[in-house]
Amino acid sequence: GAVVSQHPSRVICKSGTSVKIECRSLDFQATTMFWYRQFPKQSLMLMATSNEGSKATYEQGVEKDKFLINHASLTLSTLTVTSAHPEDSSFYICSALYTGNTIYFGEGSWLTVV
Amino acid sequence: RKEVEQDPGPFNVPEGATVAFNCTYSNSASQSFFWYRQDCRKEPKLLMSVYSSGNEDGRFTAQLNRASQYISLLIRDSKLSDSATYLCVVKRNNNDMRFGAGTRLTVKP
Repeated sequence: GAVVSQHPSRVICKSGTSVKIECRSLDFQATTMFWYRQFPKQSLMLMATSNEGSKATYEQGVEKDKFLINHASLTLSTLTVTSAHPEDSSFYICSALYTGNTIYFGEGSWLTVV
Repeated sequence: RKEVEQDPGPFNVPEGATVAFNCTYSNSASQSFFWYRQDCRKEPKLLMSVYSSGNEDGRFTAQLNRASQYISLLIRDSKLSDSATYLCVVKRNNNDMRFGAGTRLTVKP
């Protein structure tokens, strides 16, 4: 199947700093990517839909100024958590839309804010 | 009401059992349907797409009922390795994917 790579897999940052997570489609072009957050023992929560060359569409309740999404190329979308706080600690996962119908997920990034 | 709803679970079944999960969706314009599997602390992986005529992949059978707006997943002869969370995913006609909350399955020896 298609491959989506996410980096870093784990990151620890200090409260108040920003951290960037990258999501790459390795063997296909993805005009649409998605970003999710998942807290322990809870379901995936869609944060935003990222479209190449345009602004991301954020889900209700997700602060767009705090979670900056950039999708500048057909193979790369980035999520920047700005001014991170301990409550932002979570598992962040991206996915990319393949052939317009199937999505493939990145491996996820564990963020710990201390 | 959530757009995609699943059986809350958890389902705890013995090895060899047959277990079924249901998922309902509210948007009648939804076009494509999938089941994903997520292991603990891992990313979801595509288990199977769901086609209107129903489809089978080994021990797994998926069905779609557009009139009633639900999809199902049947697992026969459960294995210990089937223990995971199963996510129902529905795609609208504009690349918008919606996830169910997931149903946790534990298969016990």
